[in-house]
Amino acid sequence: DTAVSQTPKYLVTQMGNDKSIKCEQNLGHDTMYWYKQDSKKFLKIMFSYNNKELIINETVPNRFSPKSPDKAHLNLHINSLELGDSAVYFCASSQEGWGRDNEQFFGPGTRLTVL
Amino acid sequence: TQLLEQSPQFLSIQEGENLTVYCNSSSVFSSLQWYRQEPGEGPVLLVTVVTGGEVKKLKRLTFQFGDARKDSSLHITAAQPGDTGLYLCAGVMDSSYKLIFGSGTRLLVRP
Repeated sequence: DTAVSQTPKYLVTQMGNDKSIKCEQNLGHDTMYWYKQDSKKFLKIMFSYNNKELIINETVPNRFSPKSPDKAHLNLHINSLELGDSAVYFCASSQEGWGRDNEQFFGPGTRLTVL
Repeated sequence: TQLLEQSPQFLSIQEGENLTVYCNSSSVFSSLQWYRQEPGEGPVLLVTVVTGGEVKKLKRLTFQFGDARKDSSLHITAAQPGDTGLYLCAGVMDSSYKLIFGSGTRLLVRP
């Protein structure tokens, strides 16, 4: 059973298009995250939701909009895609979003390539 | 400038050798985690250290949190090809939801 799943695994699209990435976790966790990993493998937080409420919103262009229909899902919609959006996007979840023992479980990633 | 700097960035060693990866910051963290990421997959947690000076062992891997909780190290004894991967340290700052990731160390263990 996959704990954190993302679809699609690969996404190739043209500049200017709008695309969505879906994430689901079956761990019963309260908090979910989106991270972006660039070509140098640097992993940076983009958004975090706790019980469907946005709690972290880093300096991300407003072309990126997360949506959490319920606790188990956190989707990422991207408008007007740009070349610089090419990266691997990881979804993650944790039991709690607060505190020292914040173990995060990551999905397999979605490799987005913007042409 | 990244909050957590890892060194070295890349390490290629022969099977059986020992190695140490460092994770340094000028900031204090309430805890520090180490993850390993394999190609095409997401990071997987190896260990969490929470107390200054704490040492944790996971088979051939030894993790240490600095006394001042600003740095950490990962030591691997007798490295094996299965240890190959990207090692990421990540710190939790006091009163924060955020996990701050380090710059990463790519380890290649040659048979």
